Amino acid sequence: DIVMTQSPDSLAVSLGERATINCKSSQSVLHTSNNKHYLAWYQQKPGQPPKLLISWASTRESGVPDRFSGSESGTDFTLTISSLQAEDVAIYYCQQYYSPPHTFGGGTKVEIQ
Amino acid sequence: EVLLVESGGDLVQPGGSLRLSCAASGFTFSNHWMTWVRQAPGKGLEWVANIRQDGNDRNYVASVRGRFTISRDNAKDSLYLQMNNLRAQDTAVYYCARGRRDYGFILDNWGQGILVTVSS
Repeated sequence: DIVMTQSPDSLAVSLGERATINCKSSQSVLHTSNNKHYLAWYQQKPGQPPKLLISWASTRESGVPDRFSGSESGTDFTLTISSLQAEDVAIYYCQQYYSPPHTFGGGTKVEIQ
Repeated sequence: EVLLVESGGDLVQPGGSLRLSCAASGFTFSNHWMTWVRQAPGKGLEWVANIRQDGNDRNYVASVRGRFTISRDNAKDSLYLQMNNLRAQDTAVYYCARGRRDYGFILDNWGQGILVTVSS
């Protein structure tokens, strides 16, 4: 199984500042046939189900604010919130959908400092 | 509006069985892969199983393989998870999630979840 390792476990950021969440896959999730990384990011607010933010490592879902962005470098992935808003307080999860089981990272809790 | 509503959660003893259901509406159910994801209390997300549109391709996480069975009834717009030989470690909120139309392993809509508690 592909292991997804997120860091940090939690971070506190001031409103308007940048938040950076890291995710590392234990093996490549890049499909060479289409040059796409099979990696998604989800946001889960307290008491709610997860919400899809980003797929293919860097493609934002419709309606997701552009302060959210995803990037990749090999087996390392990053979710960046460029200017943290109060409504962004949540736990963020990465997930690989390259091969089943489609494993999630352990989550990163983002709070306001 | 896409709606996924889970039901069937309960308190069950170790070794017992339970069948979860997920009623789908607001979209053409038979066009989508479907997935079960669970979340133990205070813990992260764990992918459990998924099933192809026609029901003929299913995948499971190792910890449930042989005990859980995912199935679907496209005529009833419903997804199921039959859980046998339940263990305390299966205690979790179980979510059903829809796979995106263009690529079924991307989970674009989720239900609110249903709690399963395994305890004596």
